[in-house]
Amino acid sequence: KAGVTQTPRYLIKTRGQQVTLSCSPISGHRSVSWYQQTPGQGLQFLFEYFSETQRNKGNFPGRFSGRQFSNSRSEMNVSTLELGDSALYLCASSLGLRTSTDTQYFGPGTRLTVL
Amino acid sequence: SQQGEEDPQALSIQEGENATMNCSYKTSINNLQWYRQNSGRGLVHLILIRSNEREKHSGRLRVTLDTSKKSSSLLITASRAADTASYFCATVRDSNYQLIWGAGTKLIIKP
Repeated sequence: KAGVTQTPRYLIKTRGQQVTLSCSPISGHRSVSWYQQTPGQGLQFLFEYFSETQRNKGNFPGRFSGRQFSNSRSEMNVSTLELGDSALYLCASSLGLRTSTDTQYFGPGTRLTVL
Repeated sequence: SQQGEEDPQALSIQEGENATMNCSYKTSINNLQWYRQNSGRGLVHLILIRSNEREKHSGRLRVTLDTSKKSSSLLITASRAADTASYFCATVRDSNYQLIWGAGTKLIIKP
């Protein structure tokens, strides 16, 4: 079975732009979560989706949004990019209803650099 | 905010020795999870231990959970060079089911 894939792997944007990151979960997995990892704040939960519905959202501003499609693929969008949005964005999928109570499988991440 | 705090922040041991990492947290939890992250394999789930469990094993890994002390430990026995990585604990509260991560322990296994 193919693992979780994320595209693109690397991205460079400038302040004020917007960006869309994509995540394809493991086949059969319907739960997807997104995390941000920075040297300063560490790993932080962004949001969680199950069957196209956002089930949970972390403490991030409204510039961060996401969605899940009927095939369980997910996208996250960051609008009006700030320098502090530079981070590794990780996507994880799991078989169960909630990624947080099940084994999560992580993708390799998208490294976003904001200049 | 970080719920879990790992201790030590960094650990360097000889190959073949055992490595123990600790995690403390502040509020009651649904479960606690341990992860490993290295540049080669990314972030990998190791063990999930639920609040009503006290110990779990997986291969060379042993995780204990003491809910009265709000702490957990991860023991890696007979360490190998491939165990060199950062190890994170993450807790999940019943109130919001969000994964709250610790800052991690950097483990270096010397050959």
